Amino acid sequence: EVQLVESGGGLVQPGGSLRLSCSASGFTFSNYAMHWVRQAPGKGLEYVSAISRNGGSTYNADSVKGRFTISRDNSNNMLYLQMSSLRAEDTAVYYCVRDRSTVDTTYNFDYWGQGALVTVSS
Amino acid sequence: DIQMTQSPSSLSASVGDSVTITCRASQSIRIYLNWYQQKPGKAPKVLIYAASSLQSGVPSRFSGSGSGTDFTLTISSLQPEDFATYYCQQSYSTPPTFGQGTKVEIK
Repeated sequence: EVQLVESGGGLVQPGGSLRLSCSASGFTFSNYAMHWVRQAPGKGLEYVSAISRNGGSTYNADSVKGRFTISRDNSNNMLYLQMSSLRAEDTAVYYCVRDRSTVDTTYNFDYWGQGALVTVSS
Repeated sequence: DIQMTQSPSSLSASVGDSVTITCRASQSIRIYLNWYQQKPGKAPKVLIYAASSLQSGVPSRFSGSGSGTDFTLTISSLQPEDFATYYCQQSYSTPPTFGQGTKVEIK
C-alpha cells in the first residue's frame, strides 16, 4: 500500500524557516518524481514544487522561487521541503504528492499524503 | 500560466441525481486534464486522469470527457459519499494549475 506521511509542520514567525519531511513507503521511491502542493485554509489547491526521480531536476512555482527548496533522499525514501523567508500567505496545509509516471515528471498526481499544516504568524 | 475555470462553483443535488461539472482551460491542453475529489479535512483523491481514464478503485459512476479546452466530470447517480469538492487540474504545462473547485452539496 502506497503511503506518504508528512511531518514538520507547525507555527513559525514571519521571516522564519521550517523544513517539511515526507516519508514514503509501499513503492519504489526512486522510480517516481515527487511534488508538494499546498492549500490555504478554506481555499483551493496551489502547486508548489517538483523534483525528478534522481533529484537532479527541480521546479518551483514563482510564488516560492528563491525561498523554498525541494530535495529528496532516495536511500531513505524521504522527500523534503525547506522553507525560508516565510510569509503569512504561505500559511497552508502542505501535501506530499507522487507523480503517476515512472518514466518522467508528468505533473499528473496519483497519491497524496494527509498533509502538514504550516502556520506563519507572529 | 494556464487558467482553469470550473462551473458551477457549487451545486445542490439529491442522491440518485446525475451531476455534471465543467472545466475550461484558457488554452488547449489536449487531454492533460485530471479530476480530484476532496472531502473536508482530507487529502484530494484522484478520480479521472488524462481526461477520461478512470483511476483504479474509483466507482464507474464517475466519468470524464473532453479535449482541448473543454472538459466535463459526470457523476451518473450521486451517492451520499460523493458530496465533496471537486477540482480539475491541467498537467499540460508548468506550472500545473487547478480549477477553483466545485462544491457538491446535499439538496
